Amino acid sequence: AQTVTQSQPEMSVQEAETVTLSCTYDTSESNYYLFWYKQPPSRQMILVIRQEAYKQQNATENRFSVNFQKAAKSFSLKISDSQLGDTAMYFCAFMKQEADKLIFGTGTRLQVFP
Amino acid sequence: GAGVSQTPSNKVTEKGKYVELRCDPISGHTALYWYRQSLGQGPEFLIYFQGTGAADDSGLPNDRFFAVRPEGSVSTLKIQRTERGDSAVYLCASSLMRDSPLHFGNGTRLTVT
Repeated sequence: AQTVTQSQPEMSVQEAETVTLSCTYDTSESNYYLFWYKQPPSRQMILVIRQEAYKQQNATENRFSVNFQKAAKSFSLKISDSQLGDTAMYFCAFMKQEADKLIFGTGTRLQVFP
Repeated sequence: GAGVSQTPSNKVTEKGKYVELRCDPISGHTALYWYRQSLGQGPEFLIYFQGTGAADDSGLPNDRFFAVRPEGSVSTLKIQRTERGDSAVYLCASSLMRDSPLHFGNGTRLTVT
């Protein structure tokens, strides 16, 4: 069975600074996807970034980038130039290729301070 | 609508009662998912529909939980004989097809007293 671990329950960062959220996972699969989702108080899960395991290049989306270490089964999220609107819960998630369920970690609460 | 719509936003019910939670997916999305998020946890998969059929219901916790999607669009999650442990946020998501990005709704917060 796959598991996703987020070891940082809470993080804080000052506006305009950079913060990194950690995620590790366990799987015996070779082909899979990894995701970071943001959940603001509205409860809606918003996709931040997606990484295909077969791609060596780390995914980037504007201020968001990942450090994907397949051998170490690590998938951290770096947020650059943090903004107040980045304040939210962040969830790391795993999905087997050709599967239909996301497996989520327990989340990291990020607070961005002015 | 522009996004996935879930109603009601909040539902309070008494232990033992029956509840229905509704999900309106994005128009044209064939795949629909239900997840349950307990306090302080990440969402947990309940069921996946492809069109009208439940392609994977392995996440439903027991036979008190049931979901339908009769016309391949709107879905209803039904919970019989609710228990206090059913209290959670129930999230619905849809995608254009399997493996496409998921679009989530704002969830229904269910409180069983």
